[in-house]
Parts: sequence; structure tokens; C-alpha cells
Amino acid sequence: GENVEQHPSTLSVQEGDSAVIKCTYSDSASNYFPWYKQELGKGPQLIIDIRSNVGEKKDQRIAVTLNKTAKHFSLHITETQPEDSAVYFCAASNSNYQLIWGAGTKLIIKP
Amino acid sequence: DTGVSQNPRHKITKRGQNVTFRCDPISEHNRLYWYRQTLGQGPEFLTYFQNEAQLEKSRLLSDRFSAERPKGSFSTLEIQRTEQGDSAMYLCASRTGPNYEQYFGPGTRLTVT
Repeated sequence: GENVEQHPSTLSVQEGDSAVIKCTYSDSASNYFPWYKQELGKGPQLIIDIRSNVGEKKDQRIAVTLNKTAKHFSLHITETQPEDSAVYFCAASNSNYQLIWGAGTKLIIKP
Repeated sequence: DTGVSQNPRHKITKRGQNVTFRCDPISEHNRLYWYRQTLGQGPEFLTYFQNEAQLEKSRLLSDRFSAERPKGSFSTLEIQRTEQGDSAMYLCASRTGPNYEQYFGPGTRLTVT
């Protein structure tokens, strides 16, 4: 069935450095790729997303890249800050709007 | 705050009891989803409504689970005869028809003792 793999499971970076989280998907019909940030005890928060007709999207310190040929997409956070510490989830969706989720990455920002 | 609200935020119940959770989506969103999330995992799809119609249910959804959205606005999720394995965070999300973006509520944390 459809599957989304996410790596790494834990990422520790120094404050101010960049963080990269990668996901691969199996369904070639997937056309929508959101990233969610989840803080402890809260619901997931949509932080950025990308459609299949775009290769890259940027919003301030956050960017997402998509390689449809290789079926992978990545989240890039630059100039990391303590408030970026959270669990990040990638997901993929095809035309049925159903989200298939990655297992999550715990991002730790070291002061 | 995404505009999706869920109540209660926390629920502790004894095994065998019934519980009901409520979700109020963003007002103009006609699509509503329920998910379950256990510690260290991503959200797991449970069921999906378009307006008041329940269009999809996960095969993993036990007969003890039932969801309603009677007027196409708020939704309720009921779990009958709760088991310890039902302990999890129950999340609600909503979106508008043509858009992919799902917005999540804060969740209801269920603990079954």
C-alpha cells in the first residue's frame, strides 16, 4: 500500500544552524505534500506545503523541495531557533485527499 | 490557534465505560476528519465526513467506535466499552472542499485505566 518514510527519527542541531528532514513516498500519483509541526500536547500545525507542479517553495526560514522523479521531498529550516524544537511530520496525498503520514522527526535545537 | 476546537482536552475513564468527544471545525469547512495518535507515531486516519455524510471509515476502526456529524457542522466521536488500548490522542481536522490543507484541533487526550 501507500507508504511515506521519514528520516531521521531524531535530529539535533546547534542553534543558528540549518536542519534538513527527508521523506520518500511510494505512490507516484501523490500530488500534495504538507509538513506539520507538533509541539508536546498540541495538535499538528501546518507549516508549509507543496504541490506536485512545483519543485521548491519557501516561507521565511522554512523551505520545501520536491523531486517527483525520485519521489522524495525535504524540509529545510535555516537559522534554527529554540522555538523550532518540536516533532515534524511529512505527509503525502493523492487526488482522494487522504494523507499518508511519515513517522515523525524529533528536532532538538541545542543552545 | 487554527480555529478547530475539541472538547474535552483530557478524559480519564475506566475500562468498559463509554466516552464521547466533540469537534467544532472551522465554520466554512465542510470536510471533517478524525485521527488517532499514539505516542511517537504519526496521526492514524479513523473517519471522514463531507458535510453530514460519513464517506470513509478506516478498516482499523472497531465497531465500538462511532462518529456523527448530524448537521454538517460539529462532529462527535463515541467509543463504547473502552479498552486500555484506546488510550491515545484523538485529533480532529477540517478543510474546505477544493483545498488540500487540513487544519487540526488541539486534540483530546484519552486515558483508559
